[in-house]
Amino acid sequence: DGGITQSPKYLFRKEGQNVTLSCEQNLNHDAMYWYRQDPGQGLRLIYYSQIVNDFQKGDIAEGYSVSREKKESFPLTVTSAQKNPTAFYLCASSLHNTEAFFGQGTRLTVV
Amino acid sequence: GQQVMQIPQYQHVQEGEDFTTYCNSSTTLSNIQWYKQRPGGHPVFLIQLVKSGEVKKQKRLTFQFGEAKKNSSLHITATQTTDVGTYFCAGGNTGGGNKLTFGTGTQLKVEL
Repeated sequence: DGGITQSPKYLFRKEGQNVTLSCEQNLNHDAMYWYRQDPGQGLRLIYYSQIVNDFQKGDIAEGYSVSREKKESFPLTVTSAQKNPTAFYLCASSLHNTEAFFGQGTRLTVV
Repeated sequence: GQQVMQIPQYQHVQEGEDFTTYCNSSTTLSNIQWYKQRPGGHPVFLIQLVKSGEVKKQKRLTFQFGEAKKNSSLHITATQTTDVGTYFCAGGNTGGGNKLTFGTGTQLKVEL
């Protein structure tokens, strides 16, 4: 069953901690993306990757880091440098210039 | 950088009324995509437009791409309660690559 999977669905983080959000796809897509969505807001691009071992900063990359060691995986680390990390995080993947498929999202809350 | 704005931000309609959301980019786009996000869900792809002036229809939904490839619109005829959600446009950049810039979204509520 092909798709894109994000885990966990809910995540709680203490202030000062780094946390890593998982994103895995078995669609054989080259491109993968991380977006952040705040309540009632649009999607803002954090990082994207067009190919393995390569990634580019999006519009709000500060306080985040990513890696793309495998085609199927694009984990996002929210570091302690991100001052306002509470948000809904969405991972997506696509072929070149075609529709993006989204995961179910991870809701991160700082406690 | 590229910015994509949508208006209106919110729209309340009575069931059976029409609805339109407009998308405007600060730069020329290679393509425009539209997505729908139900409350509590994730964005789901609706359609992609590539050609200047292109118009596509999906049942009660009509999508247009402007002649200058900098704006787009989504029109829903005779809304139904199942149309409730937030509609996003997403623009592909002309510089190549796969970067998608999402618009700010229009939240649609449909009342009986």
